[in-house]
Amino acid sequence: AQKVTQAQTEISVVEKEDVTLDCVYETRDTTYYLFWYKQPPSGELVFLIRRNSFDEQNEISGRYSWNFQKSTSSFNFTITASQVVDSAVYFCALRGGNEKLTFGTGTRLTIIP
Amino acid sequence: DAGVIQSPRHEVTEMGQEVTLRCKPISGHNSLFWYRQTMMRGLELLIYFNNNVPIDDSGMPEDRFSAKMPNASFSTLKIQPSEPRDSAVYFCASSRETSGRTYNEQFFGPGTRLTVL
Repeated sequence: AQKVTQAQTEISVVEKEDVTLDCVYETRDTTYYLFWYKQPPSGELVFLIRRNSFDEQNEISGRYSWNFQKSTSSFNFTITASQVVDSAVYFCALRGGNEKLTFGTGTRLTIIP
Repeated sequence: DAGVIQSPRHEVTEMGQEVTLRCKPISGHNSLFWYRQTMMRGLELLIYFNNNVPIDDSGMPEDRFSAKMPNASFSTLKIQPSEPRDSAVYFCASSRETSGRTYNEQFFGPGTRLTVL
């Protein structure tokens, strides 16, 4: 079985601050894939990133960056210089072996103008 | 390219009525997924098709739920009879899956918000 834990239920930061969303996962598979999705107030789920278990390089995309550490089973997401448009629920997800895509419970991020 | 298309976007129905949700996956994608999102249970997979064949329907709540994928560009999720506890947002997602256990990202449709009175 696999599990994704997003311990932060809600986070509020003032605009332009940096914020990190935590994601810790559990799996017995040696090959697995990690994902982040964004769900803005409009409700759709937007794909942000996919990372496989053999690629521990950190990734940066504009103001977004991801830190993957197998040693701590974490795949954290940082938004630099946050903006109001970043307000959303963010989901971390995991898929490995013959398992289905397992989502965390999400972190609701509110950026205060 | 168009994304995943779902219809209707909103559905309000009365208990006992049949509800049919529709999905058109992204062209070229060979896997299709139906999810349900509620406050209590979060996002849960209902059923997963690969090359139009149902692979995993273990998440389908009960016999009232059924799903079909008659061709690569269309799928339906049917609830008959509907009950108030079925009220949720239903998402369809698609992905291009290669052989083995290489899992690509799933792209989600806008969802159908179902309210059963």
